[in-house]
Amino acid sequence: DQQVKQNSPSLSVQEGRISILNCDYTNSMFDYFLWYKKYPAEGPTFLISISSIKDKNEDGRFTVFLNKSAKHLSLHIVPSQPGDSAVYFCAASARSGYALNFGKGTSLLVTP
Amino acid sequence: EAGVAQSPRYKIIEKRQSVAFWCNPISGHATLYWYQQILGQGPKLLIQFQNNGVVDDSQLPKDRFSAERLKGVDSTLKIQPAKLEDSAVYLCASSPIRRPSSGRYNEQFFGPGTRLTVL
Repeated sequence: DQQVKQNSPSLSVQEGRISILNCDYTNSMFDYFLWYKKYPAEGPTFLISISSIKDKNEDGRFTVFLNKSAKHLSLHIVPSQPGDSAVYFCAASARSGYALNFGKGTSLLVTP
Repeated sequence: EAGVAQSPRYKIIEKRQSVAFWCNPISGHATLYWYQQILGQGPKLLIQFQNNGVVDDSQLPKDRFSAERLKGVDSTLKIQPAKLEDSAVYLCASSPIRRPSSGRYNEQFFGPGTRLTVL
């Protein structure tokens, strides 16, 4: 059973605009939520994370929003740049040190 | 600091053959994970080690997959015999024991992966 869902396989955005990637989860025991970025032939790299006690975390151009009641989180990238083109994975875990449950990923294409 | 190292990067084998993958985590990281990523899917945990002990191997197909981390540092994952459905990227990740107050909650560091093709 897929506990973390990314329902949009792909997203195309113009350079300079906002990219919004969405993620839903089903397990109310999840405490930590992470976004990873993956380029072809490379391993996933950490982007940003949030704890369930917060509803927003910001790091430069990247902001993650968490809506616990809706079991939904989103990643905002503002402004989007061509170098942001990659596959973005949403992941969640019950505790620190526990394995991550990943979504299927969303492929983001930022066009000039 | 050096990242997570994995080898080989690519491997092609016939079904029913055996194969082994190697992982060297970031120095000082106590926890090591092996994930399987099938094309079009997200990574899925196969096994998690804390030092040289197994924490979670509930999703490891133990009839054909085995893994070890003998000295609490590097690790090997073996498949014997391989099936067509084992074709995937095998990712190794490691993480330190870090307090959540660091803000990088449960961050895991991934290697480049080994792409396995079973023919």
